[in-house]
Amino acid sequence: QKEVEQDPGPLSVPEGAIVSLNCTYSNSAFQYFMWYRQYSRKGPELLMYTYSSGNKEDGRFTAQVDKSSKYISLFIRDSQPSDSATYLCAMSRHSSASKIIFGSGTRLSIRP
Amino acid sequence: GAGVSQTPSNKVTEKGKYVELRCDPISGHTALYWYRQSLGQGPEFLIYFQGTGAADDSGLPNDRFFAVRPEGSVSTLKIQRTERGDSAVYLCASSLAGTGDEQFFGPGTRLTVL
Repeated sequence: QKEVEQDPGPLSVPEGAIVSLNCTYSNSAFQYFMWYRQYSRKGPELLMYTYSSGNKEDGRFTAQVDKSSKYISLFIRDSQPSDSATYLCAMSRHSSASKIIFGSGTRLSIRP
Repeated sequence: GAGVSQTPSNKVTEKGKYVELRCDPISGHTALYWYRQSLGQGPEFLIYFQGTGAADDSGLPNDRFFAVRPEGSVSTLKIQRTERGDSAVYLCASSLAGTGDEQFFGPGTRLTVL
């Protein structure tokens, strides 16, 4: 069993829709939770970073962490075609600059 | 400013050959990471440098893989006796100090072993 599980998709939604992306994990030692966006043939870029349980909002993006359920989510409001990419959840035991364990990524396509 | 750069962008080699992949981190970043990303998978941690020394090499799959960072800036990932299973995108990332700092990723080197 992988430490981090993520539905690979692909997920296709119309422009303007709310997108929900999710990951589950098995290791209760994870404390730092991240979402990365990766465009084709590019490296991942950090979107959101949260510590422990709770919500964090940044513009159209909201990250949620539920440590009791070992479940994290990323919501994208008013989705745009430019949001089309692969979204990777990631987590680590210490800080965002330590060893990071990534999910397999969800391919998202926003239809104009 | 310039981001993390990696060369070459693509590398095709034959099974059994030796390859070197280069990473130029963001200027001033002391921490450097190597990851490997197979098709349809997320990046998998290989090794982490703090300055010139490898702080964590627990992700290197076997002794065919080796990485160096002799002057605390540029790093080279070296793979001996390449196998077809080594085919992947090799990503490099750097961060300012290594603790609590965002990792900035390069575009990767796509390695194909025939």
